[in-house]
Order: sequence, then C-alpha cells, then structure tokens
Amino acid sequence: AQSVTQLDSQVPVFEEAPVELRCNYSSSVSVYLFWYVQYPNQGLQLLLKYLSGSTLVKGINGFEAEFNKSQTSFHLRKPSVHISDTAEYFCAVSRSGGSNYKLTFGKGTLLTVNP
Amino acid sequence: DSGVTQTPKHLITATGQRVTLRCSPRSGDLSVYWYQQSLDQGLQFLIQYYNGEERAKGNILERFSAQQFPDLHSELNLSSLELGDSALYFCASSVDGTGGWETQYFGPGTRLLVL
Repeated sequence: AQSVTQLDSQVPVFEEAPVELRCNYSSSVSVYLFWYVQYPNQGLQLLLKYLSGSTLVKGINGFEAEFNKSQTSFHLRKPSVHISDTAEYFCAVSRSGGSNYKLTFGKGTLLTVNP
Repeated sequence: DSGVTQTPKHLITATGQRVTLRCSPRSGDLSVYWYQQSLDQGLQFLIQYYNGEERAKGNILERFSAQQFPDLHSELNLSSLELGDSALYFCASSVDGTGGWETQYFGPGTRLLVL
C-alpha cells in the first residue's frame, strides 16, 4: 500500500516570496507522483507529475517539484508566489504496476498568500 | 474547465435517504473514478470503472454502489445515508485507466449534506 504525508497543513507566505510545500511518500513498489491544486469551490487540477527521467519536473503556473528517491520526497516549489496561488495543494501517488491505478492523496496543504 | 461534469452541485438530504450523483467524463475518456473528500478522512478513492466494467475498488461502503453506462456517464448511489456521509464527492476521468501514469481530470464535485 502507498501513503503520502504532507508535512505542513497550512503555509502562510507573503506575495512574491518563495514557497516550498513538502511531501513524503511511502510505498513498497514503484510509484508515479503528482501535485494537484484545488482552488476554493472548485475541483482538483493537475499542476505537474513525475513519471521517470529528470528528477526536476516543471508544471503550470511556474511551479516545479523535485523527486528524491533516497528521501522518498516530492517537494513542490515556486520562486515567487502571487495572491492567485492561494489554494489547497495535494500531493498524490499512484502505483506503476498492478491493476489498481487509484490516486492516494495526502491531507493537503493550504497555501495562503498575503499581500 | 476540466471537461468533467457533475450534477447536482449541492445536495441536502436526511438520514436514511438515498441519493444519486451523476458524472459525465471528458469526451473520449473511458475510465471514471469516484473519490470522497471529507475533513477527517481527506480524499479517499472509492471506485473505478472502465468502459462499463468495474476496474478497482477502494474504501467504498456496502451502502454505496456505482455503475457506468454505455454512454460512459457514471452514477454513484448512496443509500441509508448517515451524518458521516456528508462530504464532497468528486468524479474524475482518464483516457483508459490502464496505467498509473495517466492524468485524472476532476469534476467540480457534488457537495452532500446529510441532516
């Protein structure tokens, strides 16, 4: 079974500051890694995903994430945030083999960007 | 807009009742997933259908059932409702659901309140 731990439930930052949202995962099999964003009263939207290859993955809206296999981490970063980045961010994994490709999500990190 | 539609947006009902949530996947997607989002459990996978057949099951209660119809829309039926079933129910779709690498596209959700 897979599990995901998002280390911070809330992260407040000021506009134009850098931000890092932390995600650690646990799995006995190889996994794919995802970050989704949920804006207020909306569904989830994919920010980026890691499948293989380069460990640095670039996504939409200036976000990027780095896969670290030895530390089983997939932290999300943005060098300069905007007010519009205020949202809940979910890290998720899915297994790379077998037959059940469900997403297992972390509890989410609420990013609040203040002016 | 992900292309996944869900109806209704909001549903208020009483304990013991039965409700049906509906989902239309993105055009061309064959696989549909249902997730439940609650404050205490977070985002949990319920069930996946592929081209009309059940593909995988998660933490779905026996009081809940789902199906996918020939036109590929899906319905999630919740019966004998309890207060604890109050949650946001998301539907997601993917091209064919045959690999963990696939992006799942989420609908806006149905917010269920059981009184």
